[in-house]
Amino acid sequence: GAVVSQHPSWVICKSGTSVKIECRSLDFQATTMFWYRQFPKQSLMLMATSNEGSKATYEQGVEKDKFLINHASLTLSTLTVTSAHPEDSSFYICSAIQGRTDTQYFGPGTRLTVL
Amino acid sequence: AQRVTQPEKLLSVFKGAPVELKCNYSYSGSPELFWYVQYSRQRLQLLLRHISRESIKGFTADLNKGETSFHLKKPFAQEEDSAMYYCALSGQGAQKLVFGQGTRLTINP
Repeated sequence: GAVVSQHPSWVICKSGTSVKIECRSLDFQATTMFWYRQFPKQSLMLMATSNEGSKATYEQGVEKDKFLINHASLTLSTLTVTSAHPEDSSFYICSAIQGRTDTQYFGPGTRLTVL
Repeated sequence: AQRVTQPEKLLSVFKGAPVELKCNYSYSGSPELFWYVQYSRQRLQLLLRHISRESIKGFTADLNKGETSFHLKKPFAQEEDSAMYYCALSGQGAQKLVFGQGTRLTINP
């Protein structure tokens, strides 16, 4: 089956630093990937749609300059949280669309803690 | 606006009993509806989608456009069904998902 990985699985950083999270589709190519954010005991909220070779599309209220998304290849999308602050602490989950089945496959998530 | 509502945050039933997880949606066009499941310490995975009209692990869900609902049902719950269940919607021609708040289902022995 289609597998999506994320790296790192968890990260702790100091306030003001930047953190990069990688999302990879391991056995399929994905022209479209999505980034979600999940706060404790809440649902997944879509942050942005990552399109290979073009700019990401951000959801309303998501700061594009703070959450930089790069989808440089058909198997890799990265999310960089710039100048992180404690309120950015959350669980970040990516997903990738497998074209053949048009199914969205999810990564295991990355727990970000900003001190 | 697109919205998915799962009215029950927690649902607990006994093994062998029927289970129904409710999902209502708001969308002006023809949406595609999904149920995703997240077992303990595992990633989110697709359980079923309404266009497939299939039964997965004994679960079924029927899209009721009149009631704008997509309830998930299983006639006889099993302990391994304990998990977090999310109902989700995607708009016509779109791939991005809007999720409900989720329902934690616990099956008691």
